[in-house]
Amino acid sequence: GQNIDQPTEMTATEGAIVQINCTYQTSGFNGLFWYQQHAGEAPTFLSYNVLDGLEEKGRFSSFLSRSKGYSYLLLKELQMKDSASYLCAVFSGGYNKLIFGAGTRLAVHP
Amino acid sequence: GAVVSQHPSRVICKSGTSVKIECRSLDFQATTMFWYRQFPKQSLMLMATSNEGSKATYEQGVEKDKFLINHASLTLSTLTVTSAHPEDSSFYICSARDLQGAMNTEAFFGQGTRLTVV
Repeated sequence: GQNIDQPTEMTATEGAIVQINCTYQTSGFNGLFWYQQHAGEAPTFLSYNVLDGLEEKGRFSSFLSRSKGYSYLLLKELQMKDSASYLCAVFSGGYNKLIFGAGTRLAVHP
Repeated sequence: GAVVSQHPSRVICKSGTSVKIECRSLDFQATTMFWYRQFPKQSLMLMATSNEGSKATYEQGVEKDKFLINHASLTLSTLTVTSAHPEDSSFYICSARDLQGAMNTEAFFGQGTRLTVV
């Protein structure tokens, strides 16, 4: 089976940096995704990590450690529009199914 | 990224009726499509996986006779909620992947369908 854990809620200040952690247990790891989801909307793709290390993409970066079953999403220069849920997801059963964690609701305050 | 179109975006139906939700991949061939359900403030729960031309694979606890999935072509999958009940009210989202293409790892999502059963 698989298990994905991430914090339920986080708060941060506009302009600051926030790190959202995700730990996972899965058989046959084939990559980890981060998605952003605003209320009432579909998820949008942020990043995909399959090798260890840090992937940087503008204000967002994602890190993966396969040996530790651990990933984090780093958001820099936070903006109010970054208030959303951030979903960590991994493949299960090879590349067949994408399974999501419960999501982390981030609230950015002025 | 690739585009997945889901229709309708919102639907209200009476208890006991059926509702069909369509999911189309507009610029790629979706060999595999996934249907998720999301209740308020919860994450996406996978309902079923459908491969073009074959029967869908349902997750444990999902009634296949209630949630009918058809994936008749490489660009279209449909989810029909039969004999809808108020507890079926939820946000349904489809996701499509092209397992044969260059972007074979990423899953592209439709806009979602907000179903309300009254």
